[in-house]
Amino acid sequence: DTAVSQTPKYLVTQMGNDKSIKCEQNLGHDTMYWYKQDSKKFLKIMFSYNNKELIINETVPNRFSPKSPDKAHLNLHINSLELGDSAVYFCASSQELKILAKNIQYFGAGTRLSVL
Amino acid sequence: DQQVKQNSPSLSVQEGRISILNCDYTNSMFDYFLWYKKYPAEGPTFLISISSIKDKNEDGRFTVFLNKSAKHLSLHIVPSQPGDSAVYFCAASVGADKLIFGTGTRLQVFP
Repeated sequence: DTAVSQTPKYLVTQMGNDKSIKCEQNLGHDTMYWYKQDSKKFLKIMFSYNNKELIINETVPNRFSPKSPDKAHLNLHINSLELGDSAVYFCASSQELKILAKNIQYFGAGTRLSVL
Repeated sequence: DQQVKQNSPSLSVQEGRISILNCDYTNSMFDYFLWYKKYPAEGPTFLISISSIKDKNEDGRFTVFLNKSAKHLSLHIVPSQPGDSAVYFCAASVGADKLIFGTGTRLQVFP
């Protein structure tokens, strides 16, 4: 039973399209995150949500809009896709916002987005 | 501005020997450091962490060392096993609100 699951695993689309990536966690965690891993393998945080409230927005273009319908879900919607959006997107969750000894972030398997 | 750096993209170690993965950081305000391990087609999984008030933390075969004066972190795996072959990410946090990751080191343990 996967703790943090993302769908789809692969997403191939044309420039200009709008797409969504879904994320669900069954760990009962309060905080969820979206990370982007680009071609240079940098894993950078994009957003974090705590109890459905946006906490971190790391200068991500407003074409990216996270939506948290409840604590267990954090979806990522991307409008007007560009070539530079091609990357692997990881969802993660943690028990609470503070990064303490036991407050580990659990990651999904990633969604590989290719924009053609 | 890369605040967490892993300068070795890859490392190859024989089974049974020690693997040492290194990480350097620039922000002296980082107060917590973590290592994550990632297998292909999977997300990173937490391995071990250390608070900035300590200089060593050990968990089984894994030990993390922190040298604050040098702004250097290392992960020691001993003895190394083939199942340890993965990409290892160093990460750091400040203000306990987000993780800053390095670019990873690919470890290959061969028989």
